[in-house]
Amino acid sequence: DTEVTQTPKHLVMGMTNKKSLKCEQHMGHRAMYWYKQKAKKPPELMFVYSYEKLSINESVPSRFSPECPNSSLLNLHLHALQPEDSALYLCASSQETSSTDTQYFGPGTRLTVL
Amino acid sequence: AQKITQTQPGMFVQEKEAVTLDCTYDTSDQSYGLFWYKQPSSGEMIFLIYQGSYDEQNATEGRYSLNFQKARKSANLVISASQLGDSAMYFCAMREGQDDKIIFGKGTRLHILP
Repeated sequence: DTEVTQTPKHLVMGMTNKKSLKCEQHMGHRAMYWYKQKAKKPPELMFVYSYEKLSINESVPSRFSPECPNSSLLNLHLHALQPEDSALYLCASSQETSSTDTQYFGPGTRLTVL
Repeated sequence: AQKITQTQPGMFVQEKEAVTLDCTYDTSDQSYGLFWYKQPSSGEMIFLIYQGSYDEQNATEGRYSLNFQKARKSANLVISASQLGDSAMYFCAMREGQDDKIIFGKGTRLHILP
């Protein structure tokens, strides 16, 4: 089983709202990732968690706040977003973080900020 | 300099024909992994195939094969007997050594014609 689940599938929010994106995997993977993808572009890495600790933050604005409550769950808390933050947000996981470890992606959350 | 180069922004191929999607990479690491992902219009990033830098044989997964030419630093994806459902964006990606990141190319949009 290589399933990563994400909720919600779609999200529309105003610039003053607070919302959260959720990601879950039950493959025993110890690395989890958040990516942002704009239309017709490759995914851009936002955050990496390795063994539940934040290992990479790619200079993401503080209005995005990641959280890893346990090894299976990854959240992305959103607050005071801008319209340019509208994108597809993809979660991924991998066994660990070596070059042989495949990242498996969830279906994504399509976020629209009004 | 780009680490992953995909020179074909778009391709049109007749159904049932074989198709080759080009990918070249740049790294000074001895240990690295190469990946291909398919992204249909639904947005989900689907893992297709993996090739390790130390693998002597080309990777194959069903109709997908990876033509790995290490000296040329190329990792082309070959899809045999293309189907309408193969129409999607295809991303080549690389992971170096113990790096937490995976680096994506800009992608190739493949259109299969009936």
